[in-house]
Amino acid sequence: DAGVTQSPTHLIKTRGQQVTLRCSPKSGHDTVSWYQQALGQGPQFIFQYYEEEERQRGNFPDRFSGHQFPNYSSELNVNALLLGDSALYLCASSTRGDYTFGSGTRLTVV
Amino acid sequence: LAKTTQPISMDSYEGQEVNITCSHNNIATNDYITWYQQFPSQGPRFIIQGYKTKVTNEVASLFIPADRKSSTLSLPRVSLSDTAVYYCLVGTADSGNTPLVFGKGTRLSVIA
Repeated sequence: DAGVTQSPTHLIKTRGQQVTLRCSPKSGHDTVSWYQQALGQGPQFIFQYYEEEERQRGNFPDRFSGHQFPNYSSELNVNALLLGDSALYLCASSTRGDYTFGSGTRLTVV
Repeated sequence: LAKTTQPISMDSYEGQEVNITCSHNNIATNDYITWYQQFPSQGPRFIIQGYKTKVTNEVASLFIPADRKSSTLSLPRVSLSDTAVYYCLVGTADSGNTPLVFGKGTRLSVIA
């Protein structure tokens, strides 16, 4: 299956720590978007990467940063973790409006 | 981006047809309507997309009235495996650079 792959699937971190989440896009997709989904809420857009640059950003603080590599894979970094950062982090790859989501990384901050 | 309004939750028995209505009063001329399905601990999955009138695929039907201010997702003969959250999204079907905007969705529970 050449879908979107995210790692790790689960992660537990302590307040104040930093975390890096990874995403490999679907084959043929060149754009990667990251979403945060709190329990019982819909996914909220964090930012989008295309051609290794951040092209659009949602209403998230600078503690959230990212990177896209030449092979289109991407990382999401969150610094100075807060309890409120606990959520399911979803990566979506796309091209020409065709979106595919990964299964997400469940981050728990304690 | 147009804001959407959906019921928070719905219940249905197996084998029934389920209709979930979404309101999008401020939809723009070039906006499409897209529905996604999400199971627990999984990412959203595309179900169907339409612009006007009716669209049908192997999973669902989408009904859009002439004024396009609302749309209805119809799931025929639901089963327990259709229990999920369903999201209605409105936006341009462009090259993929427009981020998807999700509301809270409709939590469908199918009962045996």
